Order: sequence, then structure tokens, then C-alpha cells
Amino acid sequence: AQSVTQLDSHVSVSEGTPVLLRCNYSSSYSPSLFWYVQHPNKGLQLLLKYTSAATLVKGINGFEAEFKKSETSFHLTKPSAHMSDAAEYFCVVSNNAGNMLTFGGGTRLMVKP
Amino acid sequence: DAGITQSPRYKITETGRQVTLMCHQTWSHSYMFWYRQDLGHGLRLIYYSAAADITDKGEVPDGYVVSRSKTENFPLTLESATRSQTSVYFCASSESFGNTIYFGEGSWLTVV
Repeated sequence: AQSVTQLDSHVSVSEGTPVLLRCNYSSSYSPSLFWYVQHPNKGLQLLLKYTSAATLVKGINGFEAEFKKSETSFHLTKPSAHMSDAAEYFCVVSNNAGNMLTFGGGTRLMVKP
Repeated sequence: DAGITQSPRYKITETGRQVTLMCHQTWSHSYMFWYRQDLGHGLRLIYYSAAADITDKGEVPDGYVVSRSKTENFPLTLESATRSQTSVYFCASSESFGNTIYFGEGSWLTVV
């Protein structure tokens, strides 16, 4: 079985300050992990994915995430928030076959001017 | 690039009616999925399909029916809609095992 916990349901930052969205996972095998972003009334867009290559993964729009097996974490970061980053973010783990995703509950990122 | 298109985008229906949500993808991806998104639950898998004529249940399949006679289409039917099926439904597809899953823009369904 696999599960994902996003530790914060809401995160608020000021524009230009760093972003940290926290994600812990549990999996009985080496997982594939993803971060997706969802803007209001839109579908989900892939930000980045980890598939057992480099532990530091770079994604689109300046986001990156670090896979830490010892901490079972896959936190998402960005050095400087932009207003357009305001959205819902989902941490996701894939099963071994790659055909079933388990989603975290989501973190809503708010960016203040 | 059309990608995945869902229709209708917004639907209001009455309890007990049959509703079909359509999903069409232009990439010829083998895998297709239906998820529902509810507050507090994130996204949960309803059904998925590995290829035409092959479907399987996900986490929350009760009350739903799917079919996949063509690779590019994966309709989801609520045979007798209930208020608990009010949700946002996302169709998704991926090329193969372990590949990125791409999502449609969602279908907002309200059952009154």
C-alpha cells in the first residue's frame, strides 16, 4: 500500500520570498513521485517527477524537489514566489506498475503582493 | 495540440438520471483514467483502462460504469446519479507504465 501526506493544507508567502511545500510518503517499494499544480477551474499540470534517478529534481517554472529516502519526504521548493504561483499543489506517488496514482490532500499556496 | 478533452465541462442533473461524461485523447495513449476530486479527499481513482476493451476498478468504482471500444475514447457513465456523486471529474491518460499522466480540464457535475 502507498500513501501521501501533505503536511500543510494552506501556505501563504509574500511575493519574492521562498516557497516550501512539504510532502511525506509511504511505499513498500521504490516509488515514483510527482508534484502537480492545479490553477482554479483548470486541470492538473505536471511540475516535476522523480523516478529513481537524481534525488534533486528540477521542474518547470523554477520549482524543484528533493527526494530523501531516509526521511520519506519529497518537499517542493522555489527560491522566489511569483503571484502566478498561487494555486493548489498535489504531491503524488505512483504504484510499481505506474498505472495508479495516490494523491495527497493538496496544499493551497497563496502569494501576497 | 488538443491533448485530452472532456465534455460536458459543466453539468447539472437530477437524482436518478443517467449521465455520461466523455473523454477523448489525441495522443493514442494506451492508458486512460477517471478520477474524482472532492474537498478533503484529493483525487481518487474511479476506473482505469490499459487498452481498448480492457478496464479495471480503481479506489471508488461503485455507481460508475466505463467502456473503451476505441483507444481514444473513455466515457464514464453514472447509471443512476446520486447527490454523493456531485464532484469534479478528471480524465487522464498516459503512454505506458510509469510515464507521466496527463489530465483533462475537468467536468463539474452537480446532482440535485
